[in-house]
Amino acid sequence: GAVVSQHPSRVICKSGTSVKIECRSLDFQATTMFWYRQFPKQSLMLMATSNEGSKATYEQGVEKDKFLINHASLTLSTLTVTSAHPEDSSFYICSASVEQGGNQPQHFGDGTRLSIL
Amino acid sequence: GENVEQHPSTLSVQEGDSAVIKCTYSDSASNYFPWYKQELGKRPQLIIDIRSNVGEKKDQRIAVTLNKTAKHFSLHITETQPEDSAVYFCAARVSGTYKYIFGTGTRLKVLA
Repeated sequence: GAVVSQHPSRVICKSGTSVKIECRSLDFQATTMFWYRQFPKQSLMLMATSNEGSKATYEQGVEKDKFLINHASLTLSTLTVTSAHPEDSSFYICSASVEQGGNQPQHFGDGTRLSIL
Repeated sequence: GENVEQHPSTLSVQEGDSAVIKCTYSDSASNYFPWYKQELGKRPQLIIDIRSNVGEKKDQRIAVTLNKTAKHFSLHITETQPEDSAVYFCAARVSGTYKYIFGTGTRLKVLA
């Protein structure tokens, strides 16, 4: 159980393109999902917390107009990187947890490797 | 803000030896501490976790210890195998939220 699916796995596109990444919880409902960014050989940096039915909560230094998050249902959150530039190239990973019943682990998607040319 | 420090950044051990990775956290109200293993280009996978009401938890070759007073927790892997080679991340849940703060990671290499 607790499977998180993320698509696409790899995106290569030109500078200025907007890219949408989907994160789905396949066998559980997730009122909260998380979006991380990971540079090579570095840790996972939390970008934002995605809340179903309300606005996302962004971490300090993350531009909300650059990284649009929509959490329209209990099983789907999307991250859109708007007008992407080479410096946005990175590995983006989402996670979700079954929050009922106290402390529960976050389960991660497979990640999306974004390369902006 | 909250912070998690992790050491060492790299660790090489001979197959069959033990490996220990240590983390410290700053938020004294943190009550949940997971450990993740990440292979190159893949998703982080939960390998063990511990809640603040216990001091130790073991699952086969993997164990985690927690010292709440000192605000540190450690991962212990015994009888290491080459397939244990990966990057390991500790994390602490931020009190009052569902967010995690991750450590900087430890690259473990098990030499055959």
